[in-house]
Amino acid sequence: KQEVTQIPAALSVPEGENLVLNCSFTDSAIYNLQWFRQDPGKGLTSLLLIQSSQREQTSGRLNASLDKSSGRSTLYIAASQPGDSATYLCAVRLKLSFGAGTTVTVRA
Amino acid sequence: KAGVTQTPRYLIKTRGQQVTLSCSPISGHRSVSWYQQTPGQGLQFLFEYFSETQRNKGNFPGRFSGRQFSNSRSEMNVSTLELGDSALYLCASQQPGNYEQYFGPGTRLTVT
Repeated sequence: KQEVTQIPAALSVPEGENLVLNCSFTDSAIYNLQWFRQDPGKGLTSLLLIQSSQREQTSGRLNASLDKSSGRSTLYIAASQPGDSATYLCAVRLKLSFGAGTTVTVRA
Repeated sequence: KAGVTQTPRYLIKTRGQQVTLSCSPISGHRSVSWYQQTPGQGLQFLFEYFSETQRNKGNFPGRFSGRQFSNSRSEMNVSTLELGDSALYLCASQQPGNYEQYFGPGTRLTVT
């Protein structure tokens, strides 16, 4: 059974600092890994999707890497802003298995 | 293009009742997946439908069921509600050949 872990569970940083969020998974036989953002009480917004054959994906200030052999992915958010405050979840597929998320607070 | 829509957004039911939730995927998306999100268990996969057929199923009791219609809209039904069924129910759609999932805003179900 796929286990997905996200560390840390919560993170508080001053505005402008870079964010590093970690995701680890136990079974490397995945199709892809997807990072999401969730605002309180809301649905999930897709941030980045990395196919199993890819090593990283970038979108604006966001960069996600994937190391299947070690079962790890890292989401980097450059120059954080208060609007980046949310819970960030990673999910791996075959059946989509989610981590518990990292709740980020960016202090102005 | 309109996003994934879910109705109703909020629902309060009594233990023992049943409930039906609806999800309309993004136009052109034929796959719909359902998830339950609770503070204790996080996001858990319920089931996935593609072209009116259940393609995958999570580890939930038979009280949880779903279906998909020919227009790709999907419904989820929970019978004999329990207090522990209180959760945010999310659906997500994806287009053929693309594994990226797009989520709706969710239905907040409270069982009293």
